[in-house]
Amino acid sequence: DIQMTQSPSSLSASVGDRVTIACRASQSISSYLNWYQQKPGKAPKVLIYAASSLQSGVPSRFSGSGSGTDFTLTINTLQPEDFATYYCQQTYNQVSFGGGTKVEIK
Amino acid sequence: EVQLLESGGGLVQPGGSLRLSCAASGFTFRSYAMTWVRQAPGKGLEWVSSISGNSGSTYYADSVKGRFTISRDNSKNTLSLQMNSLRAEDTAIYYCAKDVVVVPAAGDWFDSWGQGTLVTVSS
Repeated sequence: DIQMTQSPSSLSASVGDRVTIACRASQSISSYLNWYQQKPGKAPKVLIYAASSLQSGVPSRFSGSGSGTDFTLTINTLQPEDFATYYCQQTYNQVSFGGGTKVEIK
Repeated sequence: EVQLLESGGGLVQPGGSLRLSCAASGFTFRSYAMTWVRQAPGKGLEWVSSISGNSGSTYYADSVKGRFTISRDNSKNTLSLQMNSLRAEDTAIYYCAKDVVVVPAAGDWFDSWGQGTLVTVSS
């Protein structure tokens, strides 16, 4: 099984900040890495697929990078609606999710 | 507009059974794989099971293999999850999600999700 490790597990940031979330796979997953956003009481929503492709309708302040085992989600100019929990997901071999990163208001 | 509506959740005793359903609309159901993902209270996301568009391929997490069965009825645009031998650790919100491919494979992702149905396993 492929283990996905996210860091940090939580962070505090202010509106306008640049936020970076890391995700590491226990083995190489090429670029088969997706990012989801989940707000309290809501279903997850895909932001980035294939490591760096922006899902239709997602603001361009979200970006993804990486390949192999190390990946990054970046949120430029954090907006009030971006306070949420973010999950990475690999689909290289079956499916597994990272533990999540909660982005809170400072 | 894609819509996914889960139903069938509730309170069940350990060792009991429950059948979840997901009614799909707004897309050609048979052309996409479908997936169940769960989330225990206050915890992260856990993939449970996926099924290909024609039901020819099914996949399960080790934690549910042998106890859960995924199925679909393309004539009724409905996805199901039969859950047997339920345990306290199966307590979670269960989401159905639409894959972007017809057969789950490397590079897949889930582009639409339902709002979830809560399953509570407790005596």
